[in-house]
Amino acid sequence: DQQVKQNSPSLSVQEGRISILNCDYTNSMFDYFLWYKKYPAEGPTFLISISSIKDKNEDGRFTVFLNKSAKHLSLHIVPSQPGDSAVYFCAASARREGGSEKLVFGKGTKLTVNP
Amino acid sequence: KAGVTQTPRYLIKTRGQQVTLSCSPISGHRSVSWYQQTPGQGLQFLFEYFSETQRNKGNFPGRFSGRQFSNSRSEMNVSTLELGDSALYLCASSLTGANVLTFGAGSRLTVL
Repeated sequence: DQQVKQNSPSLSVQEGRISILNCDYTNSMFDYFLWYKKYPAEGPTFLISISSIKDKNEDGRFTVFLNKSAKHLSLHIVPSQPGDSAVYFCAASARREGGSEKLVFGKGTKLTVNP
Repeated sequence: KAGVTQTPRYLIKTRGQQVTLSCSPISGHRSVSWYQQTPGQGLQFLFEYFSETQRNKGNFPGRFSGRQFSNSRSEMNVSTLELGDSALYLCASSLTGANVLTFGAGSRLTVL
């Protein structure tokens, strides 16, 4: 069973417009959520995170929104730039005693920003 | 500071062989996690090590194993390789395991 779902395998937007990437989760124990970006031939790089006690977190052009009742989060990129073209992974974790976290990832959404 | 280093970057094996992948974490990071990335399944958690102890394990068969050394470097081993083991194997490190993970570039394994 897939606990973190990214239902859109791909998304294409024009440069300067908003990109909205969506993620749904099923495990109500998840209390920490992250977005990673991955370029080809590189490992995923951390982008932004949000704790379940918040509903919004902003970092420059990137904003993550969390709707706990709907078990849904989204990543907004404004304005989108061609360099943002990459695969975006949503990840979630449930904090464990002892500090060990196992991240559960979605399958990713490939974002293409067209000049 | 240097990032997470994984070796080898690419390798080709045949069914039935075994493979060992290596990961050097960021200096000072004591937690090392391993993930498998395949086109169909995305990134799946294999295991996490902290201070030479396996602290967390994913749902993979016993053919997949790992270890961590006193300098925090980690290795993972896959025995009796199957075609379905072809994947990108990613190592990630963090200070304690309860932080954001920093990933290496991965080791791409092809099983023929």
